[in-house]
Amino acid sequence: KAGVTQTPRYLIKTRGQQVTLSCSPISGHRSVSWYQQTPGQGLQFLFEYFSETQRNKGNFPGRFSGRQFSNSRSEMNVSTLELGDSALYLCASSGDRGVISGYGYTFGSGTRLTVV
Amino acid sequence: AQKVTQAQTEISVVEKEDVTLDCVYETRDTTYYLFWYKQPPSGELVFLIRRNSFDEQNEISGRYSWNFQKSTSSFNFTITASQVVDSAVYFCAVNSGSARQLTFGSGTQLTVLP
Repeated sequence: KAGVTQTPRYLIKTRGQQVTLSCSPISGHRSVSWYQQTPGQGLQFLFEYFSETQRNKGNFPGRFSGRQFSNSRSEMNVSTLELGDSALYLCASSGDRGVISGYGYTFGSGTRLTVV
Repeated sequence: AQKVTQAQTEISVVEKEDVTLDCVYETRDTTYYLFWYKQPPSGELVFLIRRNSFDEQNEISGRYSWNFQKSTSSFNFTITASQVVDSAVYFCAVNSGSARQLTFGSGTQLTVLP
């Protein structure tokens, strides 16, 4: 069974640019969550999508956005990049069927974004 | 609101020693789930265990064991006879119904020396 696939693995962008990251969940999983990991703030929740709808959102500025397609693949976009956006972005897939998320979350290997 | 505290930032042990990683959580919900994840240098978060708030049975899986104490809001993780391959950052997390997201602790860097 294929795991969670995130692309690209590494990315270097210039301040002010925008970036799109991709996540393909485990087959059959309809919930995809995104997390940002930085040395200073640790792991922080960005947002969660379930069946193409954003179900929950963390405390991040509007520059961070996402979407989910009908095949459950998800993308997140960061516009007007800032140096502080440099981080490891992790995607998590869950078999959650819409009730309390006691299902395990399977994480991808992440995309390491460096903003220069 | 939910919160996880991992007071141990770094732990260093010699191979074959036992080591316990502490985790204290906070949540207002009566239904919640607790998790432990391992993050090796490659970056991927590897799922170790999930526990729900109604099941206080301790669990053992090979060299790993977990002690869930609702009375003290703790969910501690013990590695018995540690090995060098256990070196990683370990994260404890909570997900409660009202939050619908994983809230992670700051992680504990475990180094097992040969």
